[in-house]
Amino acid sequence: AQTVTQSQPEMSVQEAETVTLSCTYDTSESDYYLFWYKQPPSRQMILVIRQEAYKQQNATENRFSVNFQKAAKSFSLKISDSQLGDAAMYFCAYRSPRRQGAQKLVFGQGTRLTINP
Amino acid sequence: NAGVTQTPKFQVLKTGQSMTLQCAQDMNHEYMSWYRQDPGMGLRLIHYSVGAGITDQGEVPNGYNVSRSTTEDFPLRLLSAAPSQTSVYFCASSYSGWQGESGYYEQYFGPGTRLTVT
Repeated sequence: AQTVTQSQPEMSVQEAETVTLSCTYDTSESDYYLFWYKQPPSRQMILVIRQEAYKQQNATENRFSVNFQKAAKSFSLKISDSQLGDAAMYFCAYRSPRRQGAQKLVFGQGTRLTINP
Repeated sequence: NAGVTQTPKFQVLKTGQSMTLQCAQDMNHEYMSWYRQDPGMGLRLIHYSVGAGITDQGEVPNGYNVSRSTTEDFPLRLLSAAPSQTSVYFCASSYSGWQGESGYYEQYFGPGTRLTVT
């Protein structure tokens, strides 16, 4: 079974600075998808960024980018120019590509990010 | 297009009571799932469905039942609530496919239900 580990329960960063959240995963599959979700105090789960394992290029979405190291099974999220609205719980998630029952996500424990003004 | 809706938003139950958490989606997604979120443990899959009439267990199914009679609805039933079921519950729907050689995938979450069992 796949597992996802986020080893940083809490992180903090000064506004406008850069922060990196760590995620490692364990799988025997060669093709899969990885995601970062943001959960603000409203509880809503918001997709931040996704990465397909077959793509070597790291995904980017505006101020958010990932460092995907497939051999090391590492998938970190970098937030540049941090803003107060980035404060939230962040979850790393894994999804297998197989169709039957494939659309279930395996989540890490989460990292609570605080932005200091 | 309302996306994924869940009712109620909050619920307090006494031990042994039963209730149903409602989930509906209007995007015609085949796949729907229920997760629970507990502090320090992320989201864990309870049950999922790959289409009307088809359901299966996830990681933590004990104490919960589901059914899927329509594409739109996927209710979660607690038959005899226990304090260990105090949690936040999320319903999600998703679809996936291929465009050429690239796969695509979207998952949408409902707003969650905070359940307390005393």
